Amino acid sequence: DARVTQTPRDKVTEMGQEVTMRCQPILGHNTVFWYRQTMKQGLELLAYFRNRAPLDDSGMPKDRFSAEMPDATLATLKIQPSEPRDSAVYFCASGLGGNNQPQHFGDGTRLSIL
Amino acid sequence: GENVEQHPSTLSVQEGDSAVIKCTYSDSASNYFPWYKQELGKRPQLIIDIRSNVGEKKDQRIAVTLNKTAKHFSLHITETQPEDSAVYFCAASKYSGGGADGLTFGKGTHLIIQP
Repeated sequence: DARVTQTPRDKVTEMGQEVTMRCQPILGHNTVFWYRQTMKQGLELLAYFRNRAPLDDSGMPKDRFSAEMPDATLATLKIQPSEPRDSAVYFCASGLGGNNQPQHFGDGTRLSIL
Repeated sequence: GENVEQHPSTLSVQEGDSAVIKCTYSDSASNYFPWYKQELGKRPQLIIDIRSNVGEKKDQRIAVTLNKTAKHFSLHITETQPEDSAVYFCAASKYSGGGADGLTFGKGTHLIIQP
């Protein structure tokens, strides 16, 4: 059963520190999405890539967040500097990018900024 | 952009009864509507999806209906069981050229199955 793999599963760090979250999409999937989940805002789309090219990052605070896809097997989401309001669960999802192909979610990174 | 409203926020039903969760969307260009189930501390898992060229889709005890004119879609769970207890999210997106856009989610419905 192919799965999206995210690391780390949990991250606790102090305000101002850099945070890097990683995602390995399902082999063969060419579209990668980053979502953030909080109690207040629910599930929000931050950014997504197709064939490693960024398509939309309008949901992401540009001043501190950056998303990249160095190769087809790795997507990263960085926060620098981190703030307490960034505390959330960050999910990566991947899909085939065809006509409404389903997105499959990873287990998420639970981020706590103190 | 797209806006998805979901109701109710909490739904409590007796085991064996049916549960219905409703969503509305704002962007008439949206053409893909998945439903995800999320258990506490776990990832969202796709349970069923529907495309705008279909009015209804069934998979065992779950079904989804779509009314494009009214821009709303619903999840129906029949013969509910304790393991159906979870948070359910509806979502919408559109296919644009090379593939599907990111999903816009509703706020979720906490479904509680009473024994």
